[in-house]
Amino acid sequence: DAGVIQSPRHEVTEMGQEVTLRCKPISGHDYLFWYRQTMMRGLELLIYFNNNVPIDDSGMPEDRFSAKMPNASFSTLKIQPSEPRDSAVYFCASSKWFSGANVLTFGAGSRLTVL
Amino acid sequence: AQSVTQPDIHITVSEGASLELRCNYSYGATPYLFWYVQSPGQGLQLLLKYFSGDTLVQGIKGFEAEFKRSQSSFNLRKPSVHWSDAAEYFCAVGGVTGGGNKLTFGTGTQLKVEL
Repeated sequence: DAGVIQSPRHEVTEMGQEVTLRCKPISGHDYLFWYRQTMMRGLELLIYFNNNVPIDDSGMPEDRFSAKMPNASFSTLKIQPSEPRDSAVYFCASSKWFSGANVLTFGAGSRLTVL
Repeated sequence: AQSVTQPDIHITVSEGASLELRCNYSYGATPYLFWYVQSPGQGLQLLLKYFSGDTLVQGIKGFEAEFKRSQSSFNLRKPSVHWSDAAEYFCAVGGVTGGGNKLTFGTGTQLKVEL
């Protein structure tokens, strides 16, 4: 398996622009997570899906952020409009429920810079 | 609420020396505990996990961790560090009671290895 695949790896955009980050989870995994990593706040869970259904989006910072999972093979995280404080590394992770917990496999991340 | 504390932000060790990274957790029930490693520009990779049973768990790359319920700790150890171990290490906690679906990560410990 190729692992969790994220694109783009790097994105530089200007404030106010729409940003779309993409994720392809590992085949057979039924959970998908979006995390954000910054120096100031560390790793923050934004949202997670189970069987393509959003379960907990309490970590989504504000309405400018939205996430979708139209099928088991694809998810997007969209920021519209983007702001400089959104600059971070965004990680997608997928997992399969195992003995009462999720063991996450992470993608390589998408580094977003908003100017 | 579940939480993880990694008290050491940075640690420097000499190659060949032993290593111990500290992790303390707060969780209302039996925790599921994880250690992940992140190399620069990469996603997080699972080193090891504890779900139940033997409190000393072995992981990849020669790492081990010991779960101590009385101390609410899950410290990571390696008897002899290699230069390639330089990376950031994250402890995480999850579990069945309300948190099994998602992990809470510590703020990480940056390991530097001196040759």
